[in-house]
Amino acid sequence: DIQMTQSPSSLSASVGDRVTITCRASQGIRNDLGWYQQKPGKAPQRLIYSASSLQSGVPSRFSGSGSGTEFTLTISSLQPEDFATYYCLQHNSPYTFGQGTKLEIK
Amino acid sequence: EVHLVESGGGLVKPGGSLGLSCAASGFTFSDAWMSWVRQAPGKGLEWVGRIKSKTHGETTDYAAPVKGRFSISRDDSKNTLYLQMNSLKTEDTAVYYCCSEYFGCADWGQGTLVTVSS
Repeated sequence: DIQMTQSPSSLSASVGDRVTITCRASQGIRNDLGWYQQKPGKAPQRLIYSASSLQSGVPSRFSGSGSGTEFTLTISSLQPEDFATYYCLQHNSPYTFGQGTKLEIK
Repeated sequence: EVHLVESGGGLVKPGGSLGLSCAASGFTFSDAWMSWVRQAPGKGLEWVGRIKSKTHGETTDYAAPVKGRFSISRDDSKNTLYLQMNSLKTEDTAVYYCCSEYFGCADWGQGTLVTVSS
């Protein structure tokens, strides 16, 4: 099974900061990776699919990059509504989530 | 607009069984691959399993912790996905989400809580 290692597990940042979250796959998964945001008590919402494609309706401050085994989610300028938990999900064989990154206000 | 609504959650004793449903609308359900994902209280997301479309043989895949105990099925005439959970353990306590697949889980339901406790 493919393992996903997500880092960091938590992150403190301020409004306006640039933030990067990383996921590393235990074997190559091409670009079969998505990024999700989850707020307390709510279902996850997809931000990015196919590693770098922005989901419709998602602000352009969110971007994704990577291929193979290394992937990143970048938020270019944090907004108050961005403080949440973020997960990566590989859907190559078949599905594995990263452990999550809790983004908190500094 | 895609709409997914899970139902059937509740309290069940260890060793018991429970069936969940996911009613779908807003897309061609019969063409969709569908997955179940769960989240234990205070924990991360865990993929449970998936079913492919009839065109792809309605093939199912399961995560190791549930293989042999959980079963996923679908009724395309009712636009409904099912998760049958048997031999439940306390560690199966979680919110269970269904999601429709398009390059991974694209759209999600609101979830239904399953509590396994004596």
